[in-house]
Amino acid sequence: DAGITQSPRHKVTETGTPVTLRCHQTENHRYMYWYRQDPGHGLRLIHYSYGVKDTDKGEVSDGYSVSRSKTEDFLLTLESATSSQTSVYFCAISEVSRGPDTQYFGPGTRLTVL
Amino acid sequence: SQQGEEDPQALSIQEGENATMNCSYKTSINNLQWYRQNSGRGLVHLILIRSNEREKHSGRLRVTLDTSKKSSSLLITASRAADTASYFCATVGANSKLTFGKGITLSVRP
Repeated sequence: DAGITQSPRHKVTETGTPVTLRCHQTENHRYMYWYRQDPGHGLRLIHYSYGVKDTDKGEVSDGYSVSRSKTEDFLLTLESATSSQTSVYFCAISEVSRGPDTQYFGPGTRLTVL
Repeated sequence: SQQGEEDPQALSIQEGENATMNCSYKTSINNLQWYRQNSGRGLVHLILIRSNEREKHSGRLRVTLDTSKKSSSLLITASRAADTASYFCATVGANSKLTFGKGITLSVRP
C-alpha cells in the first residue's frame, strides 16, 4: 500500500460542469500520474507530474488540466465535463527507491457525466 | 495508442491448472511489467522484467521476454480462485512512461 487515496470515489455530474478529482499520497513520492480506464482501451495516461508545479501532458490530455501545488496532492480538473469523459480515473505514483518505472495505483474514481 | 497487446482477451481455467497469458509490443522497450486488477480496484504491480533479461520468477509467477519477437508471457502456476482478475502488460520505453495493453480477463473456476 503506497498510501494513495482518491476523492471522491464516485461522482455523477452534468455536461458542462467543472469537476475536480483529488489524489493524495502520504509518502512524499516525486512522480504522480492520472490515467483513465475505459472498456476496450485499457489505461491511458492523461497527465503526469515530476514535482511540485512540474507537470506534463500524456496521451489523452485534451479537456483536462492538472495542478500540483504540494508534493502530496495532484488534482485533475475537467473544466467543462463532457459525456466522453465518463470513465474510471486512477491516480498512480512512482517510488524511486523501488525503481522509478514501477507504479502504484490508487483505488480509482468512477465519474459519470450525464 | 496502446503499445502492448495481450492475448487471449479472456481465459477460463480450473483451479490448480496453469494460466498462460501473452503480450506483444511494437517498439523497443527498457522493461515490461505485468499488473493485476481485481474487480472495482486499482492495479497492483506483479513483476518487472528488463530488456536484457529473458526470464524472471516471483512465487507462482513466471515471466519470459523475447525481445527479438517483441513478446512476453506471464505464467501463473497452480492457479487459485483468488487469481481471478484482469491482467495487464505495460511497456516502458525511453520516455520512462508506462503504456498499457487492454488486458486479459482470467477466470479461475473452483
